[in-house]
Amino acid sequence: GAGVSQSPRYKVAKRGQDVALRCDPISGHVSLFWYQQALGQGPEFLTYFQNEAQLDKSGLPSDRFFAERPEGSVSTLKIQRTQQEDSAVYLCASSLGLAGGGEQYFGPGTRLTVT
Amino acid sequence: ILNVEQSPQSLHVQEGDSTNFTCSFPSSNFYALHWYRWETAKSPEALFVMTLNGDEKKKGRISATLNTKEGYSYLYIKGSQPEDSATYLCAFVYWNNNAGNMLTFGGGTRLMVKP
Repeated sequence: GAGVSQSPRYKVAKRGQDVALRCDPISGHVSLFWYQQALGQGPEFLTYFQNEAQLDKSGLPSDRFFAERPEGSVSTLKIQRTQQEDSAVYLCASSLGLAGGGEQYFGPGTRLTVT
Repeated sequence: ILNVEQSPQSLHVQEGDSTNFTCSFPSSNFYALHWYRWETAKSPEALFVMTLNGDEKKKGRISATLNTKEGYSYLYIKGSQPEDSATYLCAFVYWNNNAGNMLTFGGGTRLMVKP
């Protein structure tokens, strides 16, 4: 069956530009997570949705980062006025239940390069 | 801040060698420990989700052990093959009363298997 998909796979943005990254989770998955992976590091948590509710956004690095999941399925991560330090791979993951430690299914990521 | 560490950072082995890597994590408030394999340009793939102290899981030539009291997990690969070349990530889930327990990742171990 279809896994988690993300688009675009690669994005080059000029500093100051706004970008929007899309995540299509596995159908029926309640939980959706966004992670950021900087070069040479492990992924770091950004935000979590349970259906359409954003229950945790403690990992968002600044108020330039905004995420939404308005209908409880597709999610968009938006970064305003991109900076060079935003260059990273952005991973989306979904899980069936309330993610009480259960397996998360990852997309292939969006590699964002800010020039 | 949760500290999840993996060692070594990278590893080069010959085809047929057996190898192992370590993940250390906080020993308090443990809920689950995940292992993922991440090949370049692909989605991270779940290998194991471990929840019980003393647990040992196996998938083909790959196995993992868990010690929650001392806060470590080992991943073993028997008879490494070139297709095992990937980054291996561990991720810790701590217990809290909220739904949506995010993954806290280590920095990963990059394995390269030479034919």
